[in-house]
Amino acid sequence: QKEVEQNSGPLSVPEGAIASLNCTYSDRVSQSFFWYRQYSGKSPELIMSIYSNGDKEDGRFTAQLNKASQYVSLLIRDSQPSDSATYLCAVNPMGRDDKIIFGKGTRLHILP
Amino acid sequence: GAGVSQSPSNKVTEKGKDVELRCDPISGHTALYWYRQSLGQGLEFLIYFQGNSAPDKSGLPSDRFSAERTGGSVSTLTIQRTQQEDSAVYLCASRLGPTNTEAFFGQGTRLTVV
Repeated sequence: QKEVEQNSGPLSVPEGAIASLNCTYSDRVSQSFFWYRQYSGKSPELIMSIYSNGDKEDGRFTAQLNKASQYVSLLIRDSQPSDSATYLCAVNPMGRDDKIIFGKGTRLHILP
Repeated sequence: GAGVSQSPSNKVTEKGKDVELRCDPISGHTALYWYRQSLGQGLEFLIYFQGNSAPDKSGLPSDRFSAERTGGSVSTLTIQRTQQEDSAVYLCASRLGPTNTEAFFGQGTRLTVV
């Protein structure tokens, strides 16, 4: 079983709508969760971190964590063409020292 | 420094040559990570350092790959006898410390083996 799984996409969302990106992980005792955005040809850029169950909001972005169901999601409100990128989910499993494991990413395409 | 710095940005090398890639982490960050990203692929974990020690080297693809970190700061990833399949972007990230801190990436080194 893959440790961090994401739908590869592409996920196409109309401009102004809400984009919903999902991620599941296999290590039940994982502690830290991150969302990165990666534009083509660029390095990953941290968008959100979340460490406890529930929602965390930052501007147009909301991260949601459900440890019981082992999933973490990212919502992007009022999607803009500039949000078109690959979104990487990353997990820091407990007991694995500081190793950070990445999913393969979901390609998001915002339709103008 | 203000961010994670990697050098060189681009490296073209002939098959069979050795290369060294450098990462200068954010000042004060004790954890440092190396990943590899082939074209159109996800991030492949290579190795990480906590201080100068490497608790997890499980991702190094072969014994041609090695890494070190000195003074708890700069890290060097060395690839010996490069092969064409080593062509990729090599990304470095650093993190303040243990769990519940965020990792930040450098701009990467694009390695092309011809």
